[in-house]
Amino acid sequence: GNSVTQMEGPVTLSEEAFLTINCTYTATGYPSLFWYVQYPGEGLQLLLKATKADDKGSNKGFEATYRKETTSFHLEKGSVQVSDSAVYFCALIKSGGSNYKLTFGKGTLLTVNP
Amino acid sequence: ETGVTQTPRHLVMGMTNKKSLKCEQHLGHNAMYWYKQSAKKPLELMFVYSLEERVENNSVPSRFSPECPNSSHLFLHLHTLQPEDSALYLCASSQDIGNEAFFGQGTRLTVV
Repeated sequence: GNSVTQMEGPVTLSEEAFLTINCTYTATGYPSLFWYVQYPGEGLQLLLKATKADDKGSNKGFEATYRKETTSFHLEKGSVQVSDSAVYFCALIKSGGSNYKLTFGKGTLLTVNP
Repeated sequence: ETGVTQTPRHLVMGMTNKKSLKCEQHLGHNAMYWYKQSAKKPLELMFVYSLEERVENNSVPSRFSPECPNSSHLFLHLHTLQPEDSALYLCASSQDIGNEAFFGQGTRLTVV
């Protein structure tokens, strides 16, 4: 079945540091890949997505590139802010048949200190 | 209003109570979902509805009963819950099943 593995947290950074949160996936064919963010006390928000190999999703300074050869979709940001503190979830959808569900990683807690 | 709206945001209920969670989406989507988010556990998909028909029930106990009267509304009826059912319950919708989901802010449920 489909699965998503993302790096264990928590991750603690200082403001303006570089962020990488690793995500790898297991799925047949060509899934669509997503990063969701959950701010404290809130639901999940779609941060960015990529639907085919070599696509780069970007939003709010965050980027992730769909790497078919390494089955990865790592999240990066060049300079984090305190307001980026949240839990980040990597997810995939493999459409077709019974595999239509969003499959989530366990989430990575990011804390950014001033 | 836009997006996915859940009410109430917070709910405290006793184990013998009956309550309902409400979700409404204003996105014109055809699929709606209930997820459970517990501390230190992955997101759990509970129910999936497509065009008002339930397409999935992931071995959820019968004390949770979903209802989808139309494509814009989804309810989760709760009765005789246990303390371990305390969690954040998230509603989501998507254009169709297999598309990315848009989430509500969740209902924080505490069972006492």
